Amino acid sequence: KAGVTQTPRYLIKTRGQQVTLSCSPISGHRSVSWYQQTPGQGLQFLFEYFSETQRNKGNFPGRFSGRQFSNSRSEMNVSTLELGDSALYLCASSLTGKPNSPLHFGNGTRLTVT
Amino acid sequence: AQKVTQAQTEISVVEKEDVTLDCVYETRDTTYYLFWYKQPPSGELVFLIRRNSFDEQNEISGRYSWNFQKSTSSFNFTITASQVVDSAVYFCALSEANTGTASKLTFGTGTRLQVTL
Repeated sequence: KAGVTQTPRYLIKTRGQQVTLSCSPISGHRSVSWYQQTPGQGLQFLFEYFSETQRNKGNFPGRFSGRQFSNSRSEMNVSTLELGDSALYLCASSLTGKPNSPLHFGNGTRLTVT
Repeated sequence: AQKVTQAQTEISVVEKEDVTLDCVYETRDTTYYLFWYKQPPSGELVFLIRRNSFDEQNEISGRYSWNFQKSTSSFNFTITASQVVDSAVYFCALSEANTGTASKLTFGTGTRLQVTL
C-alpha cells in the first residue's frame, strides 16, 4: 500500500507570493491533517479535513487555507508569503480520524521563503 | 490544557548501548492516547507505537520497549543495543479522546538521538 505522498518536496518562493502544496493520503484514509514544523515552534497543527470538510483548525492566520477533494487528496495554500512561513509542511492521513487512530505522515514539503 | 515534555534535547550514544528517551505528559482527560514517532533525516514521521490511557501494560517490539506509568504521567521509550540506523529525532505525542479527532496531536519538542560507531 502506498504511503502518504506530498509534492513538491522542496519549494523556494519570494515574500508576497502564494504557494500550493499537495498531499495524497493512504488509500482508504478519509482524514487528512496538515502540520507545520519549524525549529523554533516545533510541530504545530494547521487544519484537518474529513470527507471534504474542514473539521478542525489550528491557530494560524487566514493566509493558510486548504481543501480536500472527493478522492481525499488535499491541498494547502499559503497566500502573501512571509519569511516566517519557511518550514517543513507535513501532511498526515488517518484511517478513521478518531483520537486513537495513528497519523501516517508524508515526507513533507520544505518551503523556503526569501 | 494538554502538554508533552521531552526534557532531553539531544542524546549521543555508542552503538550497542541501551538508551531511554523520556516523555512526561499532562492532560485533564481521563481517556487519552500516547504515541511515539520517529523522524529520520528524510523528514517523514514514522509511527512507532500507540498506548491507551486505560492500558498500562508495557510493550516490547524487538529492540524497542515502552514503559507507561500513569502514576508519574510518563511514557518512556527504551532502545536496547542501539544501532546507527536508530539515529533520528523521536517525538512523543498525546491525543485526547474529548477532541473527537486524531489530528489534534500535542507533540513534545523531540529528542535527537545520535548513535555512533
